[in-house]
Amino acid sequence: AQTVTQSQPEMSVQEAETVTLSCTYDTSENNYYLFWYKQPPSRQMILVIRQEAYKQQNATENRFSVNFQKAAKSFSLKISDSQLGDTAMYFCAFMIYTGTASKLTFGTGTRLQVTL
Amino acid sequence: DVKVTQSSRYLVKRTGEKVFLECVQDMDHENMFWYRQDPGLGLRLIYFSYDVKMKEKGDIPEGYSVSREKKERFSLILESASTNQTSMYLCASSQAGAKNIQYFGAGTRLSVL
Repeated sequence: AQTVTQSQPEMSVQEAETVTLSCTYDTSENNYYLFWYKQPPSRQMILVIRQEAYKQQNATENRFSVNFQKAAKSFSLKISDSQLGDTAMYFCAFMIYTGTASKLTFGTGTRLQVTL
Repeated sequence: DVKVTQSSRYLVKRTGEKVFLECVQDMDHENMFWYRQDPGLGLRLIYFSYDVKMKEKGDIPEGYSVSREKKERFSLILESASTNQTSMYLCASSQAGAKNIQYFGAGTRLSVL
């Protein structure tokens, strides 16, 4: 079974600063995908960034980037130039393909507050 | 844009009632999922469906059933609601395949009294 651990229940960052959210996972699979999802207050969950395990290059999406360390099973999210709109719950998730569908296993989430 | 619509944002039911949570997606996705979200526990998969009338149990199926009679609609059923099923329920959909992302609805916050 796969597990995903987010050890930081809450974090705070000032606007324009950089923050890193940590995520570790445990699996015996070799082919998988990792995701960061964002859930703003009272709004729906949206994808922030995706990383394919067979790719060594870290994924980036504008101000969001990941540090993927496959051997260490670590997948952290860096948010640069934080904005008030980044305030949200962030979930790290692990995906494997079961043959019928791709299933996500989520971490417990990190609540990020961006302050002025 | 992908749209996943859950029929209710808030729902209050009594213990023992039969509860239906409805989810509709408009992107012809093969896969649909039901999760429950609880503080400190993240999201946990209840059931998923990879085709019409096809379903598989997730990690916490006890006390729940599902129905998928049409491709665009996936229903979660609580046969006899209990207070420990008070939670936020999220529906998601995705295309078939190994790496396709899941798109989420806004969620239904269910309170069972």
